[in-house]
Amino acid sequence: SQTIHQWPATLVQPVGSPLSLECTVEGTSNPNLYWYRQAAGRGLQLLFYSVGIGQISSEVPQNLSASRPQDRQFILSSKKLLLSDSGFYLCAWSQTSGNEQFFGPGTRLTVL
Amino acid sequence: GENVEQHPSTLSVQEGDSAVIKCTYSDSASNYFPWYKQELGKRPQLIIDIRSNVGEKKDQRIAVTLNKTAKHFSLHITETQPEDSAVYFCAASENTGGFKTIFGAGTRLFVKA
Repeated sequence: SQTIHQWPATLVQPVGSPLSLECTVEGTSNPNLYWYRQAAGRGLQLLFYSVGIGQISSEVPQNLSASRPQDRQFILSSKKLLLSDSGFYLCAWSQTSGNEQFFGPGTRLTVL
Repeated sequence: GENVEQHPSTLSVQEGDSAVIKCTYSDSASNYFPWYKQELGKRPQLIIDIRSNVGEKKDQRIAVTLNKTAKHFSLHITETQPEDSAVYFCAASENTGGFKTIFGAGTRLFVKA
């Protein structure tokens, strides 16, 4: 069966510090991968999606970036965090487009 | 690009009553419409989905209807129970050539015992 992992589960970082969140998927190959941000009490904002190694599409301009160094690894990064980067970051995967997405447990990021 | 609007943002019902959540989408190319349930502090999970070649789908107490002409789809929960309390998200995506799923802003459902 497939599983998706995210870490860390929670993170408190000062403004201006770097960020690296990691997501890995097990039990499947060549998944579509997604990063979402969920602000407190808000919906899911699609940040990045990837259909293969090294292929990243960005949905919104921001100071975040994503990379996919391996087939089942998706990393969300920032060089300098802003207060507005606080939120709940969810990684997800799907077999193909237009199918169910399976979400990871999320990382709650607080930028102070 | 696709835009998904969801209403209401908050819905409170008495246990046993029905709940209806409505969404509209803008991109006529969208043809896959999932609904996710997110309990407090947990990850969203798919509860039902519908593709554009059908108008209605039902799974026990939940059903989804789709009107492609009007570009709107709805979630219906009958005989609501306290454990139905959660945030519900609708979404729209293409399953041919497109890889983006755009989510609505969510509806917080409270079921009062």
